[in-house]
Amino acid sequence: NAGVMQNPRHLVRRRGQEARLRCSPMKGHSHVYWYRQLPEEGLKFMVYLQKENIIDESGMPKERFSAEFPKEGPSILRIQQVVRGDSAAYFCASSPANSGNTIYFGEGSWLTVV
Amino acid sequence: DAKTTQPNSMESNEEEPVHLPCNHSTISGTDYIHWYRQLPSQGPEYVIHGLTSNVNNRMASLAIAEDRKSSTLILHRATLRDAAVYYCSYRSGGYQKVTFGTGTKLQVIP
Repeated sequence: NAGVMQNPRHLVRRRGQEARLRCSPMKGHSHVYWYRQLPEEGLKFMVYLQKENIIDESGMPKERFSAEFPKEGPSILRIQQVVRGDSAAYFCASSPANSGNTIYFGEGSWLTVV
Repeated sequence: DAKTTQPNSMESNEEEPVHLPCNHSTISGTDYIHWYRQLPSQGPEYVIHGLTSNVNNRMASLAIAEDRKSSTLILHRATLRDAAVYYCSYRSGGYQKVTFGTGTKLQVIP
C-alpha cells in the first residue's frame, strides 16, 4: 500500500513565478492536510480538505496561496507570485474519513525561491 | 488550537531508555494524544497514539497521566536512528487537523 505521495520533491522557482505542489493521499483516504515548515522551525498547519471541499483553511496566507482537492486526481497547493519567504518544506498528510486518529505524512516538497 | 508544551531538547545515551514528556493541560475528554517524530529532511512519522490507557507498540510506549493533562513517550532502548524531533499533539474540538508544537529534539549519544 503506497504511502502519501508528493511531487515534486524539490522545486526551484524565481520570484514572481507560480509553484504547484501535488499530493496523492494514501489509498482509501479522503482527507488531506497541508503543512508548511520553514527552515529550523516547526510544522505549521495550513489547510484541511476533503474531496471537493475546503474544511479548514485557517492557516493559509490570505493572498497568493490556494488549495484544492478535486473529485479525481491529487490535491494541489498553489502558490502564485512566489517570494523568497515562501521557501520552505511543504508537507501533505492524509487520513481516512472519520478516523479521528492518525494522519500519515508524505516526504514533503522542498520549495526554493531564488 | 491545541496547545502542548515540550522541552526543546533532550539527550540520551545509546541503548538507554528515554522518557519524553509533554504537557497538554487544555485537552478534553475525547481528544486522542498523538506522537510523531521527524528525522532530518523527512516527513513526520507516526509513532503512537492513545486516549486514556497506556499504549505499547513496536516503536514505543505511551504513558498517559490519570488526569490526561500530560503524557510521556518512552523509547525503551534509544538507538542512533531515534535521533529526531518528537512532536506531541492532540486534536481539539473534534476537528480532524493535528496541530504541532515546537517538539523535542532528541540527541542520542553513542
